Amino acid sequence: DQQVKQNSPSLSVQEGRISILNCDYTNSMFDYFLWYKKYPAEGPTFLISISSIKDKNEDGRFTVFLNKSAKHLSLHIVPSQPGDSAVYFCAASPGTSYGKLTFGQGTILTVHP
Amino acid sequence: DTAVSQTPKYLVTQMGNDKSIKCEQNLGHDTMYWYKQDSKKFLKIMFSYNNKELIINETVPNRFSPKSPDKAHLNLHINSLELGDSAVYFCASSQDAWGTADTQYFGPGTRLTVL
Repeated sequence: DQQVKQNSPSLSVQEGRISILNCDYTNSMFDYFLWYKKYPAEGPTFLISISSIKDKNEDGRFTVFLNKSAKHLSLHIVPSQPGDSAVYFCAASPGTSYGKLTFGQGTILTVHP
Repeated sequence: DTAVSQTPKYLVTQMGNDKSIKCEQNLGHDTMYWYKQDSKKFLKIMFSYNNKELIINETVPNRFSPKSPDKAHLNLHINSLELGDSAVYFCASSQDAWGTADTQYFGPGTRLTVL
């Protein structure tokens, strides 16, 4: 029973264009959401997060959108750069979870020069 | 300076053996975690310790035993290794674990292969 799903295993984008990575969740108790980025042979690194009281959070080229009614979040990267090529994991947590994150299975983003 | 380090990076062993993976963080964080990334690439939490106290213990076989000698270290010992234990194991740490999910800092992972 996967409570966080990233249905696109991979995404290929041209440099300079927008990358949109999607994530769906099923657990209504989730109220904090994060995106992590992972390069090969490294651990995931935190990218951006959003609380359920917001519907958008922006940090430079990265914006996360949250649609609570649809239980859907997305990560927008504009403009995409070749260095953004990595695996992106969506994660979710209930507020009082003692840090317990539930991860999706990741989406491989490839940005072509 | 590596914030969260794990040793070894690769571990190849035979079924039935006992092995340990070590994790250390130099961030001064209070909470540490072990995750398993299975063949389907899902990262699943196994354990979490806050100030050496176990606070998350997911449904994991009791062949897996975490040990936290101090808050900077969280080791994972696995007894009687099975083929299904083959995975990448990630250690992580966060400043605290109370109230909301804090950003977690991950180690580079240990790829365990059981033959």
